[in-house]
Amino acid sequence: AQTVTQSQPEMSVQEAETVTLSCTYDTSESDYYLFWYKQPPSRQMILVIRQEAYKQQNATENRFSVNFQKAAKSFSLKISDSQLGDAAMYFCAYRVNTDKLIFGTGTRLQVFP
Amino acid sequence: GAVVSQHPSWVICKSGTSVKIECRSLDFQATTMFWYRQFPKQSLMLMATSNEGSKATYEQGVEKDKFLINHASLTLSTLTVTSAHPEDSSFYICSARDGLVNTGELFFGEGSRLTVL
Repeated sequence: AQTVTQSQPEMSVQEAETVTLSCTYDTSESDYYLFWYKQPPSRQMILVIRQEAYKQQNATENRFSVNFQKAAKSFSLKISDSQLGDAAMYFCAYRVNTDKLIFGTGTRLQVFP
Repeated sequence: GAVVSQHPSWVICKSGTSVKIECRSLDFQATTMFWYRQFPKQSLMLMATSNEGSKATYEQGVEKDKFLINHASLTLSTLTVTSAHPEDSSFYICSARDGLVNTGELFFGEGSRLTVL
């Protein structure tokens, strides 16, 4: 069975600094997608970044980038130049072709001014 | 991006009554929608996969007679919590994929908070 593990229940970062959120997953599949979602207090799930497993290049979206290590089944999220608005719950998620998203337990990110 | 809307955003009901939550894809057709449940400070747990024109597929441990799912059109799926009890109080979130675009992305509704008294 596929599982997603986020080992950091809470993280904090100073404004303008960089923080990395960890995620590992377990799967026997070779073709899949990985995602990071942000859930602010409004509870609306917002896609932060997406990575296709067949792509070796790490995905980047502005201040957000990932370190995808397929052999190690690791998918960490780096947030550069952190902003107060980045404070939220962050969920790592895994998806196979069935479209089912399996979420990790989440990491609460606090950003201090 | 694509928009998914849920209604109601919050609902309070008495124990024993049934509550229906709607999930609509506003600007795309969704052959498949997903229903999640989220307890406070916890992750999203997939309840079921809703397929347009066919029966929903429920995850292990989810009572299909308790949580009725209907996906009657390409833009609407409904979740009915039957004979609700206080332990059914939770945050319910739906998501959908644009069937015409294969980006792997799922779009989420705003969620519906159910409180059963």
